[in-house]
Amino acid sequence: EAQVTQNPRYLITVTGKKLTVTCSQNMNHEYMSWYRQDPGLGLRQIYYSMNVEVTDKGDVPEGYKVSRKEKRNFPLILESPSPNQTSLYFCASSLGLVNEQFFGPGTRLTVL
Amino acid sequence: GENVEQHPSTLSVQEGDSAVIKCTYSDSASNYFPWYKQELGKRPQLIIDIRSNVGEKKDQRIAVTLNKTAKHFSLHITETQPEDSAVYFCAASKGFQKLVFGTGTRLLVSP
Repeated sequence: EAQVTQNPRYLITVTGKKLTVTCSQNMNHEYMSWYRQDPGLGLRQIYYSMNVEVTDKGDVPEGYKVSRKEKRNFPLILESPSPNQTSLYFCASSLGLVNEQFFGPGTRLTVL
Repeated sequence: GENVEQHPSTLSVQEGDSAVIKCTYSDSASNYFPWYKQELGKRPQLIIDIRSNVGEKKDQRIAVTLNKTAKHFSLHITETQPEDSAVYFCAASKGFQKLVFGTGTRLLVSP
């Protein structure tokens, strides 16, 4: 089954404790992206990747890191999480930027 | 960079009525405009998209129109049904850069 998976789905952590949210797709998509969704602000792009080893900042990259060592995986890293990073996070993948984006199920992160 | 504004933020209609959601974008070079639907507790899913070489696109009860001169595009849903209740997001892209989303419209269709 073609899909985008994210783990964990729910995470409660404390300020400053490094964490990684994994994202994997099995559709051989070149384009992958991370978004955060907050009430009233819609979906805001954090980072995106056009291909392996190619990443670029979205609109809200501060406090986040990403890597794209393999085509299928695009982990999101929070080196030192803060409460303002409490949000719902979505990973997405597509053949290209002007193609349908397939979203993962979301990761709800709470930083205390 | 690109900025996408979406209105209204909430929209309530009666079943069977039409619903229209409007978006404006700032970058005249944008050429791809998708619409995503997000049901409560679920992930966003593409419902329709349009490219800048087309003025209108229809898919059953859903249509999107694009006015490049005015830099705005709209989603039209006819004969609304309760299952159309969701949050709808518009987005814009130049095709080689990031996709920028609007802030969303919560549509409520009452039986």
